Amino acid sequence: QKEVEQNSGPLSVPEGAIASLNCTYSDRGSQSFFWYRQYSGKSPELIMFIYSNGDKEDGRFTAQLNKASQYVSLLIRDSQPSDSATYLCAVNTYSGAGSYQLTFGKGTKLSVIP
Amino acid sequence: NAGVMQNPRHLVRRRGQEARLRCSPMKGHSHVYWYRQLPEEGLKFMVYLQKENIIDESGMPKERFSAEFPKEGPSILRIQQVVRGDSAAYFCASSYAGTSGPSSYEQYFGPGTRLTVT
Repeated sequence: QKEVEQNSGPLSVPEGAIASLNCTYSDRGSQSFFWYRQYSGKSPELIMFIYSNGDKEDGRFTAQLNKASQYVSLLIRDSQPSDSATYLCAVNTYSGAGSYQLTFGKGTKLSVIP
Repeated sequence: NAGVMQNPRHLVRRRGQEARLRCSPMKGHSHVYWYRQLPEEGLKFMVYLQKENIIDESGMPKERFSAEFPKEGPSILRIQQVVRGDSAAYFCASSYAGTSGPSSYEQYFGPGTRLTVT
């Protein structure tokens, strides 16, 4: 069973601080990694994807990947109350049926305190 | 609206009825995925389709559930004889290209259909 693990939180950070969200995965063959943001009652929204080891920055967001440690993280700088949501880590894993599919973690709930 | 479209947004069915959920992929996308999200649970992959083909249905329950993506029209997820345990949010996602290997293209999600079985 391919697994993606996230700390469920809630993770509370003050406005303006850096929020750090972590994710580990079990499938060593995984090559593609995604972060989605999901507001309560809404659908997942893609905010970052990363394929290579190292850091990838996009605005206030930085995704970090370490394939040797099977670890991917998301940093949110200058956190805003509007960043309060559940963040889902998704990893491309072998489905056992001849193709690779996204396996999602259960998500980390982030709360940014004004 | 060039995004992924799903309808209906909310669907109420009595036990034993059929539910049909529809999904139109983002413009330019030909790969469709269906996911189910139970309350307080993560998103679970159900099925991956291209036009007129089911590529991977390894996440689909063996009975009562079926999916199609015809040459014309939206993809449809069909649930026959619904039970209370089918109550969930069903999301459709689409991508420009598929996931034939460990590297995949980004998937973009529609707004979802919230199914309630009474």
